[in-house]
Amino acid sequence: GQQVMQIPQYQHVQEGEDFTTYCNSSTTLSNIQWYKQRPGGHPVFLIQLVKSGEVKKQKRLTFQFGEAKKNSSLHITATQTTDVGTYFCAAFGGYGGATNKLIFGTGTLLAVQP
Amino acid sequence: NAGVTQTPKFRVLKTGQSMTLLCAQDMNHEYMYWYRQDPGMGLRLIHYSVGEGTTAKGEVPDGYNVSRLKKQNFLLGLESAAPSQTSVYFCASRGYNEQFFGPGTRLTVL
Repeated sequence: GQQVMQIPQYQHVQEGEDFTTYCNSSTTLSNIQWYKQRPGGHPVFLIQLVKSGEVKKQKRLTFQFGEAKKNSSLHITATQTTDVGTYFCAAFGGYGGATNKLIFGTGTLLAVQP
Repeated sequence: NAGVTQTPKFRVLKTGQSMTLLCAQDMNHEYMYWYRQDPGMGLRLIHYSVGEGTTAKGEVPDGYNVSRLKKQNFLLGLESAAPSQTSVYFCASRGYNEQFFGPGTRLTVL
């Protein structure tokens, strides 16, 4: 079955520093989604990328989809304490390329020190 | 709209006991999902449903059963709870693309 690997597992930054998490797949993805989960909360959808090489921005967050559609990244510029949480990438996958199931990466836990 | 709701929020079971987790959504979504979340392992799909009356297995279905008798409800059952099923359980429903998650149920099996 399809697997989505995410690195790093954990990152601790000083407030104001930048942060990047990476998502990699061994197979070509139809699209990729990113979610954020605050401590004690539930995952919340951030964005979906569909096109090869696509770049989307949401304020200080920049999302990229690789040219080969096998990897993606989320970059946060000048982190703030409100950015604390776990960031997950997710892709539709499954046997035969089924699009019914969203497969989640293992997540990157971001800690921000004031 | 309440979105996706889950009951109960917390539960403690003894090994061998059974229970049912209820998920409800008011967004008229066809697709619904049950995940479990364990430290360092992300979200793993247990079972899912693509519409009323349908269910299918996910990555980790053993020890769980599900039912989707009504479009708005998706039930997850544990027939004989085991300590390995201690986890946080999330239900989700899928809109056009994104998934909407419920607040979760924290289950401890002693």
